[in-house]
Amino acid sequence: DAGVTQSPTHLIKTRGQQVTLRCSPKSGHDTVSWYQQALGQGPQFIFQYYEEEERQRGNFPDRFSGHQFPNYSSELNVNALLLGDSALYLCASSFSISSYNEQFFGPGTRLTVL
Amino acid sequence: AQSVTQPDIHITVSEGASLELRCNYSYGATPYLFWYVQSPGQGLQLLLKYFSGDTLVQGIKGFEAEFKRSQSSFNLRKPSVHWSDAAEYFCASQFGNEKLTFGTGTRLTIIP
Repeated sequence: DAGVTQSPTHLIKTRGQQVTLRCSPKSGHDTVSWYQQALGQGPQFIFQYYEEEERQRGNFPDRFSGHQFPNYSSELNVNALLLGDSALYLCASSFSISSYNEQFFGPGTRLTVL
Repeated sequence: AQSVTQPDIHITVSEGASLELRCNYSYGATPYLFWYVQSPGQGLQLLLKYFSGDTLVQGIKGFEAEFKRSQSSFNLRKPSVHWSDAAEYFCASQFGNEKLTFGTGTRLTIIP
C-alpha cells in the first residue's frame, strides 16, 4: 500500500502565477482534505472533498479551489499567488467523511512563492 | 470557534527521561482530541485519539494521553523517550464532523 502520495515534492513559483498540486489517496479511501502549513505553524484546514464535491471549507479565499476525480484523487489549485502562500501543503485521506475514521497524511508539497 | 493551545514551542529532554507535552482546547462542548507527530520530510502520523469513555488513552510508540475535562487539557506523555522520538508534535481537536483544528506544535529535541 503506497499510502497517500503527493506531487510535486517541491515547487517554486512567482507572485501572480497559478499552481496545481496533486494528491492520490490511500487505497480504499474516498475522502480527501487539504491543509496549509506555514513555517512554524500547525496545519490549517483548506477544504475537504467527498463524492467529488467540496463538503467543508476553511477560512481561505476563493483563490484556493479544488477538484476530486472519480478515482478519488484530488487537485488543489491556487490562483494569483501571493508571497504569503508559501507553505507546506498537506493532503489527507480517509474513508468517508466521518471523523471516526483516521485521516492519513501525505508528505506534502513545499511551495515557495518568490 | 475551536482553538487548540500548545504552550511549549520547544522542549528538550534527555534520552530515557519522561516526557509530557501540554495541550489545552477551547470549545463549549468536549471535542474529539488527537495527537499527531511530524518528522522532517514526513507527513503527520496519528499517535492517539480520544472520542469518549476512558480518559487515559494509549497510542502507538509507547505514548499515552490523559483527557481532563476540568482543565480542558489533553496532555501527551511517554515514560522514557528514545532518540527517534525527536520530532514536531501537534495536538488537534474536532467537533463532530467539522474541520480538524491544530495547535501550533511543540518541537521535541532529545539529548543523549
